[in-house]
Amino acid sequence: TQLLEQSPQFLSIQEGENLTVYCNSSSVFSSLQWYRQEPGEGPVLLVTVVTGGEVKKLKRLTFQFGDARKDSSLHITAAQPGDTGLYLCAGPDHTGTASKLTFGTGTRLQVTL
Amino acid sequence: EAQVTQNPRYLITVTGKKLTVTCSQNMNHEYMSWYRQDPGLGLRQIYYSMNVEVTDKGDVPEGYKVSRKEKRNFPLILESPSPNQTSLYFCASSPRTSGSRETQYFGPGTRLLVL
Repeated sequence: TQLLEQSPQFLSIQEGENLTVYCNSSSVFSSLQWYRQEPGEGPVLLVTVVTGGEVKKLKRLTFQFGDARKDSSLHITAAQPGDTGLYLCAGPDHTGTASKLTFGTGTRLQVTL
Repeated sequence: EAQVTQNPRYLITVTGKKLTVTCSQNMNHEYMSWYRQDPGLGLRQIYYSMNVEVTDKGDVPEGYKVSRKEKRNFPLILESPSPNQTSLYFCASSPRTSGSRETQYFGPGTRLLVL
């Protein structure tokens, strides 16, 4: 199984601050996805990146896929309390069958007023 | 409304008492999957199904069974639950294959406590 490591594990910041969370692997992924999970709910897809070096923006969130397709980052500008949640990266596991999806351990973000 | 539903949402049981967690999707998705989520370990795939009557093991299948007799339903069966199966369980579905580029739609989760 291919592993995805996320850092930091926990992040507590104040409203208006910027932050970056990372998703790293020693393996190459054909694509990576980012999900956000709020308390009491299942994860919800934010974005899929498929090309090395690709940058995608979703309002104040900027996602980047590494050139070598082994890592990805999520940058949030001017964080708001509504950004609070668990951020998960996920990628298809090609060691066996591409039908398996591997998730990182997540970054838990708390944004306070 | 397009959704994945799970029942029950919360369950407390005792060791060895068989239980089933149901999962149903109304989006005509071919692919369905079960995950468990534990602190520090993230989401780990238990079983998945690429279509009716086609199921395969994920990363942590021991102690679990699944079936896919109909496209919309994918129940998770614990024949003899043990305390180490205490966890938060999620069912997910996606239109075709695993979701390497496709969205996986998750259910709301089932919190299971095995005493």
